[in-house]
Amino acid sequence: DAMVIQNPRYQVTQFGKPVTLSCSQTLNHNVMYWYQQKSSQAPKLLFHYYDKDFNNEADTPDNFQSRRPNTSFCFLDIRSPGLGDAAMYLCATSRDQGSNQPQHFGDGTRLSIL
Amino acid sequence: AQRVTQPEKLLSVFKGAPVELKCNYSYSGSPELFWYVQYSRQRLQLLLRHISRESIKGFTADLNKGETSFHLKKPFAQEEDSAMYYCALMNTGFQKLVFGTGTRLLVSP
Repeated sequence: DAMVIQNPRYQVTQFGKPVTLSCSQTLNHNVMYWYQQKSSQAPKLLFHYYDKDFNNEADTPDNFQSRRPNTSFCFLDIRSPGLGDAAMYLCATSRDQGSNQPQHFGDGTRLSIL
Repeated sequence: AQRVTQPEKLLSVFKGAPVELKCNYSYSGSPELFWYVQYSRQRLQLLLRHISRESIKGFTADLNKGETSFHLKKPFAQEEDSAMYYCALMNTGFQKLVFGTGTRLLVSP
């Protein structure tokens, strides 16, 4: 049973056209993460929510925003996608923060920019 | 700065051969290290973590602070071990994971 669900699996958008990626979880975890993974590169943390508290990584571009309207859902908004934003976007959750709290990943959304 | 290095993009072995996937890290504090695995058409999932000192699917990893390494080992590889393996370090200060670029393990019959 999928516990972290990302929709859609594949997303195509046009250069500069806003796009939203969706993540939902059935685990009731407190923490939700968004990672960006470009081809042959490591997953890179963009930001995370601890409950309703938003934590942005220092090097995450302003073009990337996130919303968490409730415990189950978290959205990644890219306001004006550029060609360099084409990547796999991974959502993950953990019950809490800390090394004894494994992160559970979704299948990812592969974003293409035309 | 914290960094995780996996020097091999691809490691190809025959079934039954020993496997060692290398991971080196750079971190000024006391590190917490993990191995994540992604099988074909599946999601990224935790394989093992150093604090648990566990063996999962025959894999073990020992933290060597002197060499700043956390290599993943298995004495006899199986075809079903073929996957992408990521080493990751947790920044205990900010509680975030930093991943390496991954090593693809291919086990041939």
